[in-house]
Amino acid sequence: QSVLTQPPSVSGAPGQRVTISCTGSSSNIGAGYDVHWYQQLPGTAPKLLIYGNSNRPSGVPDRFSGSKSGTSASLAITGLQAEDEADYYCQSYDSSLGVFGGGTKLTVL
Amino acid sequence: QITLKESGPTLVKPTQTLTLTCTFSGFSLSTSGVGVGWIRQPPGKALEWLALIYWDDDKRYSPSLKSRLTITKDTSKNQVVLTMTNMDPVDTATYYCAHRAPVAGIPYFDYWGQGTLVTVSS
Repeated sequence: QSVLTQPPSVSGAPGQRVTISCTGSSSNIGAGYDVHWYQQLPGTAPKLLIYGNSNRPSGVPDRFSGSKSGTSASLAITGLQAEDEADYYCQSYDSSLGVFGGGTKLTVL
Repeated sequence: QITLKESGPTLVKPTQTLTLTCTFSGFSLSTSGVGVGWIRQPPGKALEWLALIYWDDDKRYSPSLKSRLTITKDTSKNQVVLTMTNMDPVDTATYYCAHRAPVAGIPYFDYWGQGTLVTVSS
């Protein structure tokens, strides 16, 4: 069981907006630690999507955005596209080491 | 251009020790702030952070696996080695190494290797 809780799955139609939540506790997100997000396309290694709660690495479309409040964080994807179908993982810090969420499978209907 | 590649056995027997090597290019593990980490992913399951070694040889391990893990670096060879003792079938997973961005704040990985699948079976 992951320290950070994510919904197992979310779905949306092309063009829609979806959000993925990441819920932690006072020992990780709530302690002020940043949240990062990764996208993992089928059969590939994870790719950094958002760092420092809301920053996008070069090359990541601005359709992807992140936010953090209290003990939770969220990833929002607007203008959903078929190529966004993937697993998404949040990551933060706890007990002197990084921790990942359980992952969320995004299905584009 | 930063690249990382994992190498090691694809099959190990229960109770054996696994040794994985991460060979990287495009950065130096002697540069302040840089780190290399290991992450694994059992088939169909979530990512799990295993260990991280920093440029100054500071090492951090997953609390639940700490007794079984050792991470070392060879700066001259641009390699990081992870050993995991007493392997069990539940350790079957794809093992990734990744580059820790040399920035302030909690670590995150901006470059990943392709991963190597390790199966534990007799």
